[in-house]
Amino acid sequence: DQQVKQNSPSLSVQEGRISILNCDYTNSMFDYFLWYKKYPAEGPTFLISISSIKDKNEDGRFTVFLNKSAKHLSLHIVPSQPGDSAVYFCAASPHNTNAGKSTFGDGTTLTVKP
Amino acid sequence: NAGVTQTPKFQVLKTGQSMTLQCAQDMNHEYMSWYRQDPGMGLRLIHYSVGAGITDQGEVPNGYNVSRSTTEDFPLRLLSAAPSQTSVYFCASRGTGSSGANVLTFGAGSRLTVL
Repeated sequence: DQQVKQNSPSLSVQEGRISILNCDYTNSMFDYFLWYKKYPAEGPTFLISISSIKDKNEDGRFTVFLNKSAKHLSLHIVPSQPGDSAVYFCAASPHNTNAGKSTFGDGTTLTVKP
Repeated sequence: NAGVTQTPKFQVLKTGQSMTLQCAQDMNHEYMSWYRQDPGMGLRLIHYSVGAGITDQGEVPNGYNVSRSTTEDFPLRLLSAAPSQTSVYFCASRGTGSSGANVLTFGAGSRLTVL
């Protein structure tokens, strides 16, 4: 049973528009969530995180929203840029100090068209 | 400023051969881990270590062995390679991000093909 699900394998948006990437989780013990970005032939890199005590966290063009009752989080990228084209992984862990044991989704490939 | 270094980047093995994937970090992180990524799938945890001399199993540990003799190094050993172990392997260490979060720093990956 997959505990972290990214139901959209791919997403294509126009440059300058908003990109919305979604993630659902089933384990109610998860209370810390992270997004990683991965370019081809590179390792994933940390993008943004949110803890369960918040419902929103913002960092520049990137905002993560958390809906605990729905067990759903989303990553918004505004405005989208061609350099944002990458695979985005959602990850969840039961506690901040266990972020190293994060459970990952299968990823969403974002393509931003010029 | 190297971060997490993995070697080799590419390796082809025959079924039954053994090999070691090397991982080294220079950030003095206590926590290190190994993940594998298969096509269209996320990252699955193989083994992890919370410090020198301490290791534990992750989600998919079968066929792999690890040890942690120093803080810097965390090698992953394939005991008898099987085609099902064809994958991209990522080593990661855990530090503290600018936001105070504990985030993983990944190596560039090692692509392994088992024939």
